Amino acid sequence: LAKTTQPISMDSYEGQEVNITCSHNNIATNDYITWYQQFPSQGPRFIIQGYKTKVTNEVASLFIPADRKSSTLSLPRVSLSDTAVYYCLVLTDKLIFGTGTRLQVFP
Amino acid sequence: EPEVTQTPSHQVTQMGQEVILRCVPISNHLYFYWYRQILGQKVEFLVSFYNNEISEKSEIFDDQFSVERPDGSNFTLKIRSTKLEDSAMYFCASSPSRRDFLGGYTFGSGTRLTVV
Repeated sequence: LAKTTQPISMDSYEGQEVNITCSHNNIATNDYITWYQQFPSQGPRFIIQGYKTKVTNEVASLFIPADRKSSTLSLPRVSLSDTAVYYCLVLTDKLIFGTGTRLQVFP
Repeated sequence: EPEVTQTPSHQVTQMGQEVILRCVPISNHLYFYWYRQILGQKVEFLVSFYNNEISEKSEIFDDQFSVERPDGSNFTLKIRSTKLEDSAMYFCASSPSRRDFLGGYTFGSGTRLTVV
């Protein structure tokens, strides 16, 4: 099972771009990389998922280098409401959550 | 946007009592999951369910736990004899397939179970 490593916490200010990098050195060929967001007392919410290169949606971008041993979630112009825990996961047959990155956005 | 609905939102029960947590997954999803999150800790996988049977379960999911899809729409988690350490948020999730899809799992808003 591929383990992921990401920073425990990050601070940012409103309007800034935030990049959260995750390492997954043991990712298998068939595995996808997926990111979730969780607010206190709520269920995780899917943000974005990818296999390689770059994926973009209305919320975020996901950058995956050719070796796929890491990935970077990019949140453009964060706001206070982006304060949450962000989880990087390797999708196999189920999601196994780590401790995530606690992002605090300040005014 | 389709939602996974969980009821009740809060449940308080006495130790040793049975509880049933209910979930209505998204209607065209085929895979169903239960997770739990003890306060201040990480989200833990309990069980996955597909085609009316358990696909995989974690070591947390012992004989005290069972899941059922009784009527084609509900998906339930039963804890037979609750213990204090079962106090947690329980999240149900569903997905259209096990992997290779773009939409991710959809999680419900959870049931906060408090065992006293």
